[in-house]
Amino acid sequence: GAVVSQHPSWVICKSGTSVKIECRSLDFQATTMFWYRQFPKQSLMLMATSNEGSKATYEQGVEKDKFLINHASLTLSTLTVTSAHPEDSSFYICSARRSVGRYEQYFGPGTRLTVT
Amino acid sequence: AQKVTQAQTEISVVEKEDVTLDCVYETRDTTYYLFWYKQPPSGELVFLIRRNSFDEQNEISGRYSWNFQKSTSSFNFTITASQVVDSAVYFCALRAYSGGGADGLTFGKGTHLIIQP
Repeated sequence: GAVVSQHPSWVICKSGTSVKIECRSLDFQATTMFWYRQFPKQSLMLMATSNEGSKATYEQGVEKDKFLINHASLTLSTLTVTSAHPEDSSFYICSARRSVGRYEQYFGPGTRLTVT
Repeated sequence: AQKVTQAQTEISVVEKEDVTLDCVYETRDTTYYLFWYKQPPSGELVFLIRRNSFDEQNEISGRYSWNFQKSTSSFNFTITASQVVDSAVYFCALRAYSGGGADGLTFGKGTHLIIQP
């Protein structure tokens, strides 16, 4: 159990376009989901915390108007990179935490975004 | 604020050697969790262990062992008799309760472990 999927696994888009990344908890309900960004050969940095039915909480320095997060159900959160630029190219990883019980965060496989 | 330091950027050893990955953390919270994750070239994070701040018992799982020393704020990870398949980037992470109102993980920069055959 505790499987998290992301779609797409990789995407290439042109500068100025928007890209949506989905994060789904497949076999459990997740009140809270997290979005991380990882640049090549660097660590994961928390971008935002997404709570079902409420606005996301963004970390300092993350533009909320550029990285739109929606958590409309207990199994789905989406991250939309608006007006993408080459510097947004990165590996985006989501994680989900169960609504009840244990505190582990289960990570998705990541989405590699390349903006040309 | 939380901070996790993995001072070893890259470690290279020959297969079958033992290797220890260091992790030092900083937090003002008395309740927190520490994690180790493995990230192979595919990019997917593999959960290895979670330890809470009240449990200082060391843990062994097969060839893996963890040494939690609260007095030195360290949570080191040792691989015994390393194998080529252990080659990956290993991240130490911290989760506390007061981090910006959220409880996402704070990751170290990672240690790239290379096991040579």
